Amino acid sequence: AQTVTQSQPEMSVQEAETVTLSCTYDTSESDYYLFWYKQPPSRQMILVIRQEAYKQQNATENRFSVNFQKAAKSFSLKISDSQLGDAAMYFCSIIQGAQKLVFGQGTRLTINP
Amino acid sequence: NAGVTQTPKFRILKIGQSMTLQCTQDMNHNYMYWYRQDPGMGLKLIYYSVGAGITDKGEVPNGYNVSRSTTEDFPLRLELAAPSQTSVYFCASRRTGFYNEQFFGPGTRLTVL
Repeated sequence: AQTVTQSQPEMSVQEAETVTLSCTYDTSESDYYLFWYKQPPSRQMILVIRQEAYKQQNATENRFSVNFQKAAKSFSLKISDSQLGDAAMYFCSIIQGAQKLVFGQGTRLTINP
Repeated sequence: NAGVTQTPKFRILKIGQSMTLQCTQDMNHNYMYWYRQDPGMGLKLIYYSVGAGITDKGEVPNGYNVSRSTTEDFPLRLELAAPSQTSVYFCASRRTGFYNEQFFGPGTRLTVL
């Protein structure tokens, strides 16, 4: 079974600085997708970025990028130029096989002005 | 498009009562999901459906039932509510294919007293 581990329950960063959120996962499959979702205080889950396991190139979406290390089963999220609106819970997740998404426990990110 | 809608937004139940959480999506997605999120935790899959008439258990199905008679609707039934079912419930949908993101509803906060 797949598992996703986020070892940082809380992180904080100064506005305009860069922060990296860690995620490791375990799977026996060779083909899968990884996602980062954001959950602001409104509770609405929002997709931040996604990565296909077969792609070597790390995904990038504006200020958000990932460091995907397939051999190490690591999928960290880097947020550049942090903004107050980035404050949220961030969940790492994996999907494979029967189309079921498995989530990590989340990292609460605080942005200090 | 309204996306994924859930009703009600909040509900308080007494132990032993039953209720149905409603979920509707207007994006013609095949896949639909029900998750629960306990405080400070990630999302755990309760049930999912790959199309009308087809449902399957997720990680934590005990105490819940679902049905999928149409593509749009995926209600979640709680029978004999227990305090352990106090949680926030999210419905989600997605198109077929690993790459496609899940779209989440706004959640239902349920308290069982």
